[in-house]
Amino acid sequence: GEDVEQSLFLSVREGDSSVINCTYTDSSSTYLYWYKQEPGAGLQLLTYIFSNMDMKQDQRLTVLLNKKDKHLSLRIADTQTGDSAIYFCAEKAGYSSASKIIFGSGTRLSIRP
Amino acid sequence: DVKVTQSSRYLVKRTGEKVFLECVQDMDHENMFWYRQDPGLGLRLIYFSYDVKMKEKGDIPEGYSVSREKKERFSLILESASTNQTSMYLCATMVMGQGVSPLHFGNGTRLTVT
Repeated sequence: GEDVEQSLFLSVREGDSSVINCTYTDSSSTYLYWYKQEPGAGLQLLTYIFSNMDMKQDQRLTVLLNKKDKHLSLRIADTQTGDSAIYFCAEKAGYSSASKIIFGSGTRLSIRP
Repeated sequence: DVKVTQSSRYLVKRTGEKVFLECVQDMDHENMFWYRQDPGLGLRLIYFSYDVKMKEKGDIPEGYSVSREKKERFSLILESASTNQTSMYLCATMVMGQGVSPLHFGNGTRLTVT
C-alpha cells in the first residue's frame, strides 16, 4: 500500500542549511507536497512539486525529487529560528480530486543558536 | 484566502460521552476531510466527503461518524468517546478538480478524553 516515511527529528545551527528527507512507495504519485506546522497551528502548504519535475526552487526553499528512488527532499537555506516547526511530506496519487493524499509522520526541525 | 474554522481549540470530555467536532469553510470547496494527528504517526485520515450528504471512510473510521448536511460544514462525531481518541483533530478542505489541489487546514481541535 501507499506509505510515506520521514525521520522524526532534525537539529541544525542557525544560518546553516536544513535538509529534510522523505521516501514514498506509490509510483503513481502525481504531486508531492511539503507542509509546515508551527506550534498550536494547522498545516500550511509550503511548496509542492509535480512528478515530472526534478527540482523546484522558491526563495530559500529547494525541493529535489528523485522519482527513480522515490525520494523527495526539502532544503531550507540560511535556516532561521522562525523555521522551527514540524515539516510534513505528502503525496497525491492520481490526477483527480478523488485521489488520496498520504502524509508522512512529520520531521520536527529545531534550530540551535 | 481560504478560511477553515474549527469551533473549538481545546475540548475535554469524559469516556462514553458523545462528542461533536465542527468544521466550517468559506470557500465553497466540495471536498472536506477529517484527520487525526498523533506524535510519530503523522496525519491519519478518518473520513472525507466529496459533496453534501456524501461520505467515505478513510483509513481509521472505527469509533467515528460524520455528517455533511450543508456544503460549508463537516462534522465529526465520536459516538462514545474513549481515551484512545485523545488526539489533535484537523479538518481540511480541497477544491474539486485536477491539478495541484492542495489541502487547506483549520487550526485543529485538541481533544482530551478522561
